[in-house]
Amino acid sequence: GAVVSQHPSRVICKSGTSVKIECRSLDFQATTMFWYRQFPKQSLMLMATSNEGSKATYEQGVEKDKFLINHASLTLSTLTVTSAHPEDSSFYICSASRQLMNTEAFFGQGTRLTVV
Amino acid sequence: GQQLNQSPQSMFIQEGEDVSMNCTSSSIFNTWLWYKQDPGEGPVLLIALYKAGELTSNGRLTAQFGTTRKDSFLNISASIPSDVGIYFCAGGDFGNEKLTFGTGTRLTIIP
Repeated sequence: GAVVSQHPSRVICKSGTSVKIECRSLDFQATTMFWYRQFPKQSLMLMATSNEGSKATYEQGVEKDKFLINHASLTLSTLTVTSAHPEDSSFYICSASRQLMNTEAFFGQGTRLTVV
Repeated sequence: GQQLNQSPQSMFIQEGEDVSMNCTSSSIFNTWLWYKQDPGEGPVLLIALYKAGELTSNGRLTAQFGTTRKDSFLNISASIPSDVGIYFCAGGDFGNEKLTFGTGTRLTIIP
C-alpha cells in the first residue's frame, strides 16, 4: 500500500502554545489530504479536507482559526493547533489517496497531542 | 458528522474462532472499505469493495459489499493473537475522496 508519514508521533505542549503536525505522502502525490481527530475508544471524526494550492474545507463545528491547515505541496499538508488548550488533547490522524478521486485512503501513524 | 453503525461494538473470542462483524448505513455508498487500527497507530487498509454484492478476500479476511449498498460485512477466519485491535468500516462515493467511518468493533482474544 501507499505510504503516508506523520510527524511527530507524540507531542506535549503547554497551554497557549501552538503545535504543528506534518503529513507527508512518501511515494505518491496527493492533491487532497484529510485530517481526523480521534478521542479514546471512539471512531475517527473528519476535521477538514486539505486541498493543495487552495483553502482547506472544514467540517461543521471545527474552528478554522484554531486548526490551521496548509497544503503547500503535493506531498505535504500541515495542521497547526493554535493556542492549544487541554481540551485539544487528542489523537490526530491524516490520510491521503494515491489517485485522484480514489477512496482508498491511506493513513499516517497518528500524532498524540497532550496539552498541559 | 454522520457515522455508520457497526456491530458488535466489542467481541471477546478465543484464538482459532471465526469472527463476523457488520456495518450498516441509512444511505447508499458506492465503495466500502475495512480498516484495522492498533493502539496508538493509524488505521491500516484491509479490504476495499467497489461493487454491490462483491465478495473479496485478503488471506483469512473476507468482506462483502451488501446488495442494497447500505451495508457491508467482514469475516475473519481462525483468529490469531495479532488480529486483536479495532476494526472500522468506511463508506465512500465515486468522485469523492471523503470517507464516512463506522463506530468500530473492538476485537479481544481471550487466552
